[in-house]
Amino acid sequence: DSGVTQTPKHLITATGQRVTLRCSPRSGDLSVYWYQQSLDQGLQFLIQYYNGEERAKGNILERFSAQQFPDLHSELNLSSLELGDSALYFCASSVAGTAGLAPDTQYFGPGTRLTVL
Amino acid sequence: GDSVTQMEGPVTLSEEAFLTINCTYTATGYPSLFWYVQYPGEGLQLLLKATKADDKGSNKGFEATYRKETTSFHLEKGSVQVSDSAVYFCALTTIQGAQKLVFGQGTRLTINP
Repeated sequence: DSGVTQTPKHLITATGQRVTLRCSPRSGDLSVYWYQQSLDQGLQFLIQYYNGEERAKGNILERFSAQQFPDLHSELNLSSLELGDSALYFCASSVAGTAGLAPDTQYFGPGTRLTVL
Repeated sequence: GDSVTQMEGPVTLSEEAFLTINCTYTATGYPSLFWYVQYPGEGLQLLLKATKADDKGSNKGFEATYRKETTSFHLEKGSVQVSDSAVYFCALTTIQGAQKLVFGQGTRLTINP
């Protein structure tokens, strides 16, 4: 058990809908990262938050957004869902995660499997 | 940009065989290197890491050495077990890359008894 929790474990929805994925980082970790794992794209970095502020963006679609709350949990919002958004979405956390410093180890949650029908 | 290339899978071995999964990287900065493992139906677990050239990461009988001259971080284990069956991901981060992990495509390993 990494200490990172994600809810829900599974999500099935229809095209055009909006969903919210939730992540609670390990106790004491300030950074949260979101990754998407799909069959065709592999594991891709989406976005990072550090202590409530957006720190880095990767291949995140404009239909997707995220935020980190004062209690450090994070939510990933996916809207206008398409079939191609079906994937496993992972959250990871680390102690710091600031550019310019030695990389932290990232600890991953169990993931949320999203199926868009 | 930064990238990681792993050997194509799937890889199937018999129990107690020697394992090598090749991993090479391209990075603009000076990366830290990681191996993560994903067991069926589970998330990613950190297996081992190395943060500078010639460092050897090791855990659970697995080893990998950071080779800057060949830009490689190959994963090895002397005697695999059925419980090692999983998908293995090589990954890197760089200071310039704002801590994001760049993953290889993953190698599925199946160990037969």
